[in-house]
Amino acid sequence: EAGVTQFPSHSVIEKGQTVTLRCDPISGHDNLYWYRRVMGKEIKFLLHFVKESKQDESGMPNNRFLAERTGGTYSTLKVQPAELEDSGVYFCASSLENPGQGIGYTFGSGTRLTVV
Amino acid sequence: SQKIEQNSEALNIQEGKTATLTCNYTNYSPAYLQWYRQDPGRGPVFLLLIRENEKEKRKERLKVTFDTTLKQSLFHITASQPADSATYLCALVTGGFKTIFGAGTRLFVKA
Repeated sequence: EAGVTQFPSHSVIEKGQTVTLRCDPISGHDNLYWYRRVMGKEIKFLLHFVKESKQDESGMPNNRFLAERTGGTYSTLKVQPAELEDSGVYFCASSLENPGQGIGYTFGSGTRLTVV
Repeated sequence: SQKIEQNSEALNIQEGKTATLTCNYTNYSPAYLQWYRQDPGRGPVFLLLIRENEKEKRKERLKVTFDTTLKQSLFHITASQPADSATYLCALVTGGFKTIFGAGTRLFVKA
């Protein structure tokens, strides 16, 4: 089966611009997650979708970040306007069930965002 | 405060030896703990999960232990190979679906 696909793999934008990241989860995975790794730091949770509903968005840093998952398939994460501190690698992951069932998450390769 | 600590220094070992990585946590009560492998430019790859009521879990050359009293997990790779060189991430799940990651430990296995 195809894995989790993220697009673009890299993005360089200027401060104040808008960027939209896309994630295509594994087909049939109702659970979709966004995570972020800022340089030198650990990977941090942003939010969790179950189908098209936001189950937990406690990790979203501020209202410049907007995540959507219309139709419960792919998801987008928009940053508007981008700030320098938004630079990092944004990972998407999906799972069929609660990761505690033993299979963890399946991650995409990430989008490396650089804000200059 | 809540913390997950993994050795920030890289671990260098000789091929064939056992690599042991440590994950310590404070002020969490995880329902289960996971280990992931991450290669440069890639996303983390799930390796193993161990639940709070389990002491040890094995998968091929991998072994994970979980001591909820010490608040520590150890991750072992036996008969290590150069292909095992990567960053290994410890991750806790306290409840629900949200996973909290450590910063990872880099492992280098020399031939």
